[in-house]
Amino acid sequence: GESVGLHLPTLSVQEGDNSIINCAYSNSASDYFIWYKQESGKGPQFIIDIRSNMDKRQGQRVTVLLNKTVKHLSLQIAATQPGDSAVYFCAEIYYNQGGKLIFGQGTELSVKP
Amino acid sequence: DVKVTQSSRYLVKRTGEKVFLECVQDMDHENMFWYRQDPGLGLRLIYFSYDVKMKEKGDIPEGYSVSREKKERFSLILESASTNQTSMYLCASSPRLDYNEQFFGPGTRLTVL
Repeated sequence: GESVGLHLPTLSVQEGDNSIINCAYSNSASDYFIWYKQESGKGPQFIIDIRSNMDKRQGQRVTVLLNKTVKHLSLQIAATQPGDSAVYFCAEIYYNQGGKLIFGQGTELSVKP
Repeated sequence: DVKVTQSSRYLVKRTGEKVFLECVQDMDHENMFWYRQDPGLGLRLIYFSYDVKMKEKGDIPEGYSVSREKKERFSLILESASTNQTSMYLCASSPRLDYNEQFFGPGTRLTVL
């Protein structure tokens, strides 16, 4: 069935270190994979996406890696800052289902100063 | 900037009451979505709409209905609220079906007593 899940519910890192947030998925039919960030008291905010036929995509301080062989997605945050503290969700999008997003459970990232 | 607003941040209702959650977006987006967010379950799609007066069931539509009479407004209705509908409700919009970024409102925390 369709499901997107995360390996770890919480992650604590030191400010300045790199963070890696992982996600496993089960359905290979999605069009894109997407990472969202949700800060306390706010709705999720789009970070970066990767097309399902790509392996890697880089943004500003973030890199997403997609390993289709093992159905694994990761978000790497370079030089993690206190402002990066949030819950991070991976999601899949299906264009043929009205742009439907299927979200994973989320990982809470805490950045220690 | 896209703005998605939700009518209430916090709402307390009694079992059996009819509840209306309102969502308004100001960017002329075609698509609008209602999710609920529960700890450990991530975000789950309740209903979505890709045009005025159009609606599609998401993954958990039972106990809910929606209304989209105007393009900018998408309402979620709990016909007879139950305690298991206590949750955070998030509204989102996107310009079109193949647009990866969904813009979320701040959420409504609904408690059903």
